[in-house]
This record gives sequence, structure tokens and C-alpha cells, in this order.
Amino acid sequence: RKEVEQDPGPFNVPEGATVAFNCTYSNSASQSFFWYRQDCRKEPKLLMSVYSSGNEDGRFTAQLNRASQYISLLIRDSKLSDSATYLCVVNKAGNNRKLIWGLGTSLAVNP
Amino acid sequence: DTAVSQTPKYLVTQMGNDKSIKCEQNLGHDTMYWYKQDSKKFLKIMFSYNNKELIINETVPNRFSPKSPDKAHLNLHINSLELGDSAVYFCASSLAYPGSTDTQYFGPGTRLTVL
Repeated sequence: RKEVEQDPGPFNVPEGATVAFNCTYSNSASQSFFWYRQDCRKEPKLLMSVYSSGNEDGRFTAQLNRASQYISLLIRDSKLSDSATYLCVVNKAGNNRKLIWGLGTSLAVNP
Repeated sequence: DTAVSQTPKYLVTQMGNDKSIKCEQNLGHDTMYWYKQDSKKFLKIMFSYNNKELIINETVPNRFSPKSPDKAHLNLHINSLELGDSAVYFCASSLAYPGSTDTQYFGPGTRLTVL
């Protein structure tokens, strides 16, 4: 099983739609979770951290399910500018601490 | 005011050459990273330095040698370039140790093409 797994998509949705991505992780000791966004031919940028109780930032909601070892990202009222690749990132706990990056889920919002 | 900068942005070179990529951050962060993103878009950590000390050294060919002259700079030297080295190389920095809750800030990337 991959350490961090995402459906690569692409997800094609119309403007205004609600879309949700899931990401599963294999290390039950992981403590830090993030969603980064990467536009085409650009660098990744932090979209939001994911907290245990779930958190919301405008149209974006992130959830963590420790029992099933997955995190989710919900985007409401999609905009054209939301078109990007969304990267799930999980920390690797223990002595070899580092972040493990998913392959990303590609989203295309269409007019 | 650029936070993490890399030079060059594009690098096209022949197989067998030696090249360097430079990275600088003005965020006052203690930790810097080199990532490789290949054509399949997989972002893989290569190295990480904390206060000039190497703390992550993934399974990378020893043709790749990082150097951190001070905590604001992390350079990557690549010897004997191969076709498979073609990728985008991202530098990043964060306030504290890898795996913490700190945001990683990325440079714009260096697109390396080996012919």
C-alpha cells in the first residue's frame, strides 16, 4: 500500500459545483495533514492544514478521519480559478520525520 | 519580495555535463529542502538541511550533492547528468523540522532538461 494515495482524476466539474477529494494514508502514527495546491507549471502552495476536528476556510472544508485513515477536501461553489492539482501531504512520524506527498488530484472547473 | 528564489529557472544541457542550481530564502527559516518532480508529477524529497546540517538524505545517486553554506542558502550540484535527471527541481523552506506542522514554502522550480 502506498504511504499516501489519491485518485489522480481528472475531475471535470461545471462552475458552481461541489466537489470532494479523498486521500488515504498508511501510517496510523501520522499527526500532521495538509492540502497543497499546485497550478500548472508552478510550485505547490499550502491551501490548508487539516485539524482533527475538521476546519473550514471560505469555500474549502477539510476533514480528518483517523479511524479510516483518510483526509478529505470539499470545495463548494467551484470557480474557474480552482482548476489545479490538489496534493495531499502527510507527515511521517518517528525518527525519519518528513512529509510524504500524494501524486495529486487534478481538478478542471469548466464554464 | 521573493521568499524562496531559485536560479536558473530553466536549464538545458547535454548528458555527462555537471551543473548547479542555487536556492536562497529570505524568510529566516531554519530548514531547507530539495525536491524532484518528474514527468508523472510525483514530488519526491531528495535532501533536507536544518541550520546547515544534513538531516534528510533520501536514496539519491551520489552524483547529486547538496551544499548549504549558511541557513539561507541551499545549492544542488549534479555531476555527470543523465537523461533520467530531467525533471523540475523545487527548493523549499520551513521554519522548523520536517514533519512538523510548519508550512513549506517553495521556490518557482528549476526545469532541467538533459539532452
